[in-house]
Amino acid sequence: QVQLVQSGAEVKKPGASVKVSCKASGYTFTTYDINWVRQATGQGLEWMGWMDPNSGNSGYAQKFQGRVTMTRDTSISTAYMELSSLRSEDTAVYYCARVMGVGASQRRLLDYWGQGTLVTVSS
Amino acid sequence: EIVMTQSPATLSMSPGERATLSCRASQSVSSNLAWYQQKPGQAPRLLIYGASTRATGIPARFSGSGSGTEFTLTISSLQSEDFAVYYCQQYNNWPYTFGQGTKLEIK
Repeated sequence: QVQLVQSGAEVKKPGASVKVSCKASGYTFTTYDINWVRQATGQGLEWMGWMDPNSGNSGYAQKFQGRVTMTRDTSISTAYMELSSLRSEDTAVYYCARVMGVGASQRRLLDYWGQGTLVTVSS
Repeated sequence: EIVMTQSPATLSMSPGERATLSCRASQSVSSNLAWYQQKPGQAPRLLIYGASTRATGIPARFSGSGSGTEFTLTISSLQSEDFAVYYCQQYNNWPYTFGQGTKLEIK
């Protein structure tokens, strides 16, 4: 069965960086894009960006451009999201999610999600 | 960026009742609209995509309708496990954006 297992909670100081991992299993890792979505406590969902594990290509929401980097290590079927210059507003649960399929529309739908990683930014 | 607005923010209903949740886009998203359900402490779950197609394993009591800028999620007969937060999301234009959510609570 498809599983996405994320790394554990992090506490960071303002200005620092955080790197969250997302280990995939149960399918061919390079076939499906991985996206990242975050959710501040008690708030809604915010789409951060996507990464194609096959090519390494990625796309980011403008809000995060320059601060976020999405990468992968295909040898261990793991995707990474690194966010730099952290500020208190970045305190949130970060989710990785796999897309539904390889078609144009299916690549925009998230049908398998990780359990979430809480990142707390505090001095 | 397309803004998605959901209403109401909170909906108080009883099991067995019919629930109707609304979602409006700031510009047309065609039928590129999905609905997700999220329960406390869990990741979201895809319910509906293409405005009206149920995702795999989603019960028939969930249905979606609409196109352009106005969309509706209907739950025909509420079960106890349906009380959760529901988000609409457009995937017509990047960045893909979510509504702020509708909390469906037990009356």
